Amino acid sequence: EPEVTQTPSHQVTQMGQEVILRCVPISNHLYFYWYRQILGQKVEFLVSFYNNEISEKSEIFDDQFSVERPDGSNFTLKIRSTKLEDSAMYFCASSKGNQPQHFGDGTRLSIL
Amino acid sequence: AQSVTQPDIHITVSEGASLELRCNYSYGATPYLFWYVQSPGQGLQLLLKYFSGDTLVQGIKGFEAEFKRSQSSFNLRKPSVHWSDAAEYFCAVGDRTGANNLFFGTGTRLTVIP
Repeated sequence: EPEVTQTPSHQVTQMGQEVILRCVPISNHLYFYWYRQILGQKVEFLVSFYNNEISEKSEIFDDQFSVERPDGSNFTLKIRSTKLEDSAMYFCASSKGNQPQHFGDGTRLSIL
Repeated sequence: AQSVTQPDIHITVSEGASLELRCNYSYGATPYLFWYVQSPGQGLQLLLKYFSGDTLVQGIKGFEAEFKRSQSSFNLRKPSVHWSDAAEYFCAVGDRTGANNLFFGTGTRLTVIP
């Protein structure tokens, strides 16, 4: 069964540095998402992306965040200047729209 | 605004016992409803979904859930729990408009004892 793949599985970054999290959604999916899960807390919606533009974004997704689909297969989340509170597990998901989202295994981001 | 409440933070059951995990939602209309399971260090795996139609939905691993509109609930059940079911369970509401973004509850951690 096709899967959403995320790299790296664990990213350690110094505070203030830029970080890019990468995702390869399922190939025939059209909607792409990023979610965040701070340790011990619930999964929170960050942003959805469709037709090469952001569909919706949450309050968490401020100017420090950006997303991009640089080619036909990758979907990236960039954090421009990381803060300690950005430490979390970041999940990528994809779907065909009105179908369940399929999630990757996540990238654990640790900010030092 | 959408919200999901999972009132039980942690549940412990004996292997072979029945299980019910509670989920209540707040949404302006009939939402899409989902249960996902997360094993330690893993991603979120879809257990089952409700979009429309039959209010009792069957999922993978022997799980089922029932949508009760009058109670705004979507409780997850399993008649006989296996040790491998130990995990974190998340209920989620999907926004029927736009990109169907998901809003998750805080999760219920299930411990299974022999």
